[in-house]
Amino acid sequence: QSVLTQPPSASGSRGQSLTISCTGTSTDVGRSIYVSWFQQYPGKAPRLMIYEVNKRPSGVPDRFSGSRSGNTASLSISGLQAEDEADYYCNAYAGGDSFVFGTGTKVTVL
Amino acid sequence: QVQHHESGPGLVKPSETLSVTCSVSGGAVNSSSYWWAWIRQSPGEGLEWIGTIRYRGATAYNPSLERRVTIVADTSKNQLFLRLTSVTAADTAVYYCARGLWYRFDSWGQGTLVTVSS
Repeated sequence: QSVLTQPPSASGSRGQSLTISCTGTSTDVGRSIYVSWFQQYPGKAPRLMIYEVNKRPSGVPDRFSGSRSGNTASLSISGLQAEDEADYYCNAYAGGDSFVFGTGTKVTVL
Repeated sequence: QVQHHESGPGLVKPSETLSVTCSVSGGAVNSSSYWWAWIRQSPGEGLEWIGTIRYRGATAYNPSLERRVTIVADTSKNQLFLRLTSVTAADTAVYYCARGLWYRFDSWGQGTLVTVSS
């Protein structure tokens, strides 16, 4: 069971847009709609930001959006704000009731 | 509203068994409406799915940990338990209990740090 590949870091200025990729295979990211994204601040538990590729839980700003093309999922943040500076992880269902996480991306807001 | 939090020993010696508890309140641990997962994060590292337990106790484990891990639910105590045998320093991590809805981890506990050291 391999991890999903994310860029280690990404940055953008306040107000700009940023996109993070998450590359897997046809057995995980490309398998189904069950791709999620989590935000994690240092020392805190992860928070669900996107599920089923592009759905937002209640309370998540609409600046966050998700998409997928083939075996690569993406998280986009528009209108970057200081509080968006965090680590972001993707996650995908890999069949047989198993899941796999991405390697994580540290987002810096300049 | 279902709430949950983890608790653990803090320190475990190498080769021993790590046991972590997730206490659930505001709902039944064995509800058919949701399921549970254990996820860990080594210091400075990413998230790793350990395993999942569903309604009626059906489990699934990460193949890399399957030989050493057991997840069970105690309905009388409304708790979940994670047991990991033969631990090494590589098992030092924050262990999270997460609630699952459909195929997403809907809410997470605050995590409990377990350090493996002699």
